[in-house]
Amino acid sequence: DAGITQSPRHKVTETGTPVTLRCHQTENHRYMYWYRQDPGHGLRLIHYSYGVKDTDKGEVSDGYSVSRSKTEDFLLTLESATSSQTSVYFCAISDPGLAGFNEQFFGPGTRLTVL
Amino acid sequence: AQSVTQLGSHVSVSEGALVLLRCNYSSSVPPYLFWYVQYPNQGLQLLLKYTSAATLVKGINGFEAEFKKSETSFHLTKPSAHMSDAAEYFCAVSDRGYSTLTFGKGTMLLVSP
Repeated sequence: DAGITQSPRHKVTETGTPVTLRCHQTENHRYMYWYRQDPGHGLRLIHYSYGVKDTDKGEVSDGYSVSRSKTEDFLLTLESATSSQTSVYFCAISDPGLAGFNEQFFGPGTRLTVL
Repeated sequence: AQSVTQLGSHVSVSEGALVLLRCNYSSSVPPYLFWYVQYPNQGLQLLLKYTSAATLVKGINGFEAEFKKSETSFHLTKPSAHMSDAAEYFCAVSDRGYSTLTFGKGTMLLVSP
């Protein structure tokens, strides 16, 4: 298995509170991604990073921010959580430069419930 | 913009029957294509990938998929379903030179004894 961990694995929080999810990799891959998974929607890209301090928005970035200060860590922050952000969040990594194509490897996920 | 359509949110088969999960894509150039599988309460695992070598791609657990450019399809098949194949399957597309994947909405495969 690719060396990807996510923390916490489960979190329950209240509307309006800030939440930070962490993705940590030991593979030294250049690219890291945050997705959310919701029934009927599949996986939707929130933000991604193509290097330290280099990030870009995905399809559903409103209400989320990210930071990447080290190659191995990619943080997802909900500044003020809302019930619509209740979801399962997945981190993924890839290195298209090595493989020649964008094969992504996924972490185990974080289940977030916003009450 | 690229997109992926998976026909059927749920597919039911009997153990031993053929599995066919459909995926159609839209892309302006020949893409890279992937099938992932997700077992309950787990992350996604790569089943197989098409990267412009052979059009018939073999993956893990006896699955295979065929890239058909004329039909813009990349359907996933397995000759004989096993109970352990019950999971959700996702098709994904990536344009060459781009770093992001676009996923379909997934197909839940149900296998009955």
